[in-house]
Amino acid sequence: NAGVTQTPKFQVLKTGQSMTLQCAQDMNHEYMSWYRQDPGMGLRLIHYSVGAGITDQGEVPNGYNVSRSTTEDFPLRLLSAAPSQTSVYFCASTLSPGTPGGYTFGSGTRLTVV
Amino acid sequence: SQQGEEDPQALSIQEGENATMNCSYKTSINNLQWYRQNSGRGLVHLILIRSNEREKHSGRLRVTLDTSKKSSSLLITASRAADTASYFCATDEYSGGGADGLTFGKGTHLIIQP
Repeated sequence: NAGVTQTPKFQVLKTGQSMTLQCAQDMNHEYMSWYRQDPGMGLRLIHYSVGAGITDQGEVPNGYNVSRSTTEDFPLRLLSAAPSQTSVYFCASTLSPGTPGGYTFGSGTRLTVV
Repeated sequence: SQQGEEDPQALSIQEGENATMNCSYKTSINNLQWYRQNSGRGLVHLILIRSNEREKHSGRLRVTLDTSKKSSSLLITASRAADTASYFCATDEYSGGGADGLTFGKGTHLIIQP
């Protein structure tokens, strides 16, 4: 199915553990981004990429790393998980800014850090 | 920081009535987008309006944009139970040829009473 695929859907981590949230899209979109959604806060941009090999920081990048070695994949790494990183994480992609179809979002990863 | 602010935060109406949600933002934009999120799901793109446009229609949706007031509204006509969801406005401020990602408001939670 064409779209954005995120894995895992749910994850529980202990404080200090590291993990990688996977994101893959099969629409040949150049632009990909990661957001976190906290209750009452809307979505906030963590990192984004305008193409393979190019990444940049968003509004809340601390504690997260990204890389973009291929057009299809944009993994998000938590270096040392903290309870403040408990959130729902969404990956999104678009062909280019201003595309009438907007961004396509994945179904999210619900992360709990204990 | 949050760019868009939706108003109201919550809205409950009877099925068949029209629902209007408003969004205000702070900086210059290239386009403004509206998304819908059903409980526990990813975001679905509804409509995009460019900064040089004043109104757009898509099915039962009507979006207006007033750049002088830095505000937008989303009208859903003839509401249905399936329209129950949270609605977010998101601004796209990309500049310098690159995409900086979307900046979201906190959303309006719409409940359609049968």
